[in-house]
Amino acid sequence: EVQLLESGGGLVQPGGSLRLSCAASGFTFGNFAMSWFRQAPGKRPEWVAGISGSGHATYYADSVKGRLTFYRDNSNNTLLLQMDSLRAEDTAVYYCAKASQWDLPTTFPSWGQGIRVTVSS
Amino acid sequence: DIVLTQSPESLAVSLGERATINCRSSRSLLYTPNNKNYLTWFQQRPGQPPKLLIYWASTRESGVPDRFSGSGSGTDFSLTISNLQAEDVAVYYCQQYYTTPLNFGGGTRLEIK
Repeated sequence: EVQLLESGGGLVQPGGSLRLSCAASGFTFGNFAMSWFRQAPGKRPEWVAGISGSGHATYYADSVKGRLTFYRDNSNNTLLLQMDSLRAEDTAVYYCAKASQWDLPTTFPSWGQGIRVTVSS
Repeated sequence: DIVLTQSPESLAVSLGERATINCRSSRSLLYTPNNKNYLTWFQQRPGQPPKLLIYWASTRESGVPDRFSGSGSGTDFSLTISNLQAEDVAVYYCQQYYTTPLNFGGGTRLEIK
C-alpha cells in the first residue's frame, strides 16, 4: 500500500523559510515522479512543483519559481521542499503526491494527508 | 497556461438520481499521436486530500464504483454520477495533465437535495 507522510509544516513569518518533507513507502520510490500540490482554504488545489523519478528534472509553477526548491533522496525514499521568501499567499495545506509514471506531465493517483503551512506575522 | 472552467459551481441532486458536471478547457487536451485526452477527475470530501476518480477522461481508477463515468474529448468533458449516494457529497475537480502547470478547474460542490 502506498503511504505518503508529510512533515515540517507550521507557522512562519513573511520572508521566512520552511522545509517540508515527505516520507514515502509501499512502492519502488525511484521509479515514479512526485509532486507537491497545495490548497488554500476554500480554494481549488494548485500544483506547486514536480520532480522526475531520477530527480534530474524539476518543474515549478510560476508562482513559486525561484523561491521553492524540490529535491528527492531516492536512497531514503524522501522528498524535500525547501521554501524560502515565503509570502502570505503561500498559506495552504501542502500535499505530496505520487505519479503514475517516471516523469511529468502525468496523473497523480496517490496523495498524502497534507501538512498545514501558515505564513503570517 | 491551460485554463479549465467547470459548471455548475454547485449542484443539488436527489438520492438515486444522476448528477452531471462539466469541464471546458481553453485548449484541446487530445494528444493526437495516441488519441488520448489528458484529463482527470478528482473527488474531495471535507478534510480529505483529493481522490482520483477518472483518468484519460473516461478510465475509472481501480476501486472507483461504476456509478462514476467520464466522457468527452478535445475541450469539452463531463463527469456523470449515476444513482447518487449520500457518500458522493463532495467537491469535484477536473484537472489537465497535458502540460505543466497541472491546472485544476474551479470545482463543483455536489449536495443532496
